[in-house]
Amino acid sequence: KAGVTQTPRYLIKTRGQQVTLSCSPISGHRSVSWYQQTPGQGLQFLFEYFSETQRNKGNFPGRFSGRQFSNSRSEMNVSTLELGDSALYLCASSLAGPTSMNTEAFFGQGTRLTVV
Amino acid sequence: KNEVEQSPQNLTAQEGEFITINCSYSVGISALHWLQQHPGGGIVSLFMLSSGKKKHGRLIATINIQEKHSSLHITASHPRDSAVYICAVTGNQFYFGTGTSLTVIP
Repeated sequence: KAGVTQTPRYLIKTRGQQVTLSCSPISGHRSVSWYQQTPGQGLQFLFEYFSETQRNKGNFPGRFSGRQFSNSRSEMNVSTLELGDSALYLCASSLAGPTSMNTEAFFGQGTRLTVV
Repeated sequence: KNEVEQSPQNLTAQEGEFITINCSYSVGISALHWLQQHPGGGIVSLFMLSSGKKKHGRLIATINIQEKHSSLHITASHPRDSAVYICAVTGNQFYFGTGTSLTVIP
């Protein structure tokens, strides 16, 4: 079956702009979680959506937001981009969510965002 | 202080060597995950465990809940095992270690 698909794979934006990233989960998975990976901070949890509701949120400013649609596809939005937002953004899908026991997460290839 | 600590940060091994990567955590967890990340960014989930030990091919993962410690072992290492290995725990959210960069030399 198809894996987790993230689009676009690469993106270059200017400071102050906003960006929307997309994640299509594995068919049947209802949870989509988002992560930011930078060389300095490593992987950090952004938020998780389950059945169109945000279920958990990491420690990121309100400029980072997301949503999930009825088909479980999720989008992540970052407004007023800063240079420090340059990172690899990964999403993962699972049946019940990353904080649920015995639920394996499947990751997408990520979107590499560069803010100039 | 990081919720998840991994060691070593970098590891170079000769092909065929036995490798151990350690992970300690300080939060209450529902599960611990070992992830593998190859250059280019893709992450693969290797193991998810909440107790005991799991084995998949040449990979073995163990966890000691009382000591809040987990180890990932690679037996008979191979150059294709070269990657970054990340320990992550799930409690009320996902917490990640900083990763161990493994290079296996032929």
